[in-house]
Amino acid sequence: EAGVAQSPRYKIIEKRQSVAFWCNPISGHATLYWYQQILGQGPKLLIQFQNNGVVDDSQLPKDRFSAERLKGVDSTLKIQPAKLEDSAVYLCASSLQGRKAFFGQGTRLTVV
Amino acid sequence: QQQVKQSPQSLIVQKGGISIINCAYENTAFDYFPWYQQFPGKGPALLIAIRPDVSEKKEGRFTISFNKSAKQFSLHIMDSQPGDSATYFCAARAKNAGGTSYGKLTFGQGTILTVHP
Repeated sequence: EAGVAQSPRYKIIEKRQSVAFWCNPISGHATLYWYQQILGQGPKLLIQFQNNGVVDDSQLPKDRFSAERLKGVDSTLKIQPAKLEDSAVYLCASSLQGRKAFFGQGTRLTVV
Repeated sequence: QQQVKQSPQSLIVQKGGISIINCAYENTAFDYFPWYQQFPGKGPALLIAIRPDVSEKKEGRFTISFNKSAKQFSLHIMDSQPGDSATYFCAARAKNAGGTSYGKLTFGQGTILTVHP
């Protein structure tokens, strides 16, 4: 079974630039999550989708972050404009209706 | 409260020893408690999980102990090996309103485990 795929693996941008990350969840997984993991901390949820609807985006900085999941499969997370404090690993995870969430390898973003 | 507090921040054990990582939570709506293992450059991988209706779950060398009244749970790694060196995260999850699906995982701060040969 293929895992959660994310791209790119690494990205370096200057502050105030924009960036986008892509995630392809495990086939059949209706729930998709984007987490932000700052170095030395546990992952923090940014947004949760159930199919193509948003379930929880309470911790998403909506003035600069946006995410979409068209057709209830792939998802993109965008940051515009980026700030230095956005430097982190962005993790995508997916799950069936049940409890087990499977994570991708993440995209490491460095904002300089 | 949604917090999950994890300790210690770092742990060094000798090969063959027992590694113990502790977590405490406040939200009594949590009803699923997984542990994740993360190697550098990789995403977290589910290691073992427990529901609050049992006090202990064992899978190989990994055991979760759960104390519902104290709102605490812990991971024990028996016969620790150098290959176990990684960052370990406890987490907790509650059901969404309506009880038909699960919400976000709330993670602890992580424990960096180093097992010396």
